[in-house]
Amino acid sequence: AQKITQTQPGMFVQEKEAVTLDCTYDTSDQSYGLFWYKQPSSGEMIFLIYQGSYDEQNATEGRYSLNFQKARKSANLVISASQLGDSAMYFCAMREWGGSNYKLTFGKGTLLTVNP
Amino acid sequence: KAGVTQTPRYLIKTRGQQVTLSCSPISGHRSVSWYQQTPGQGLQFLFEYFSETQRNKGNFPGRFSGRQFSNSRSEMNVSTLELGDSALYLCASSAGTGGMETQYFGPGTRLLVL
Repeated sequence: AQKITQTQPGMFVQEKEAVTLDCTYDTSDQSYGLFWYKQPSSGEMIFLIYQGSYDEQNATEGRYSLNFQKARKSANLVISASQLGDSAMYFCAMREWGGSNYKLTFGKGTLLTVNP
Repeated sequence: KAGVTQTPRYLIKTRGQQVTLSCSPISGHRSVSWYQQTPGQGLQFLFEYFSETQRNKGNFPGRFSGRQFSNSRSEMNVSTLELGDSALYLCASSAGTGGMETQYFGPGTRLLVL
């Protein structure tokens, strides 16, 4: 079974509107972290936001917020006031906290296109 | 603070050759992880090094190897290249001292095997 599922291969949004990118995860660990990265066409993975499994509040970083629903095992990324520069691939990733486990498991990604 | 750097950025090799990729982490970071990204398989974890020791390893054949130097710089080597090794190879660094640290990625090395 996939550990990270991103069901939207592609999404379109109008400039200045908000968009939600879906991510569900599967783990039996109690301690884990969820990350979102942005990958423009240049290839570099840019860290956006992090949510820990024990964090009670949803994480926010500027225009990015993470809608964390632990019981449903979902960690959706919300981008408010979309900009043309937000057009990129977005990856959800999880790290299961197993002591010295530094492996990130990634979803397949969602290609976001922001239209003017 | 300078980010993660990777060299070279682009590489073309032929089947059977070997290749070495280099990664310099963010200053002060001691953990370096490597990932392979292909259109078919997505992003897959290769291995992670901390203080010159491999701590984690993904499910890749022995042709893929790596090492880390005392200054935390890391190299990965792929021997006997196959067409399927064509990919974007990304390295990421983190402090490596424990806790749910964020991994910061470099720009990647695009490898094309002909």
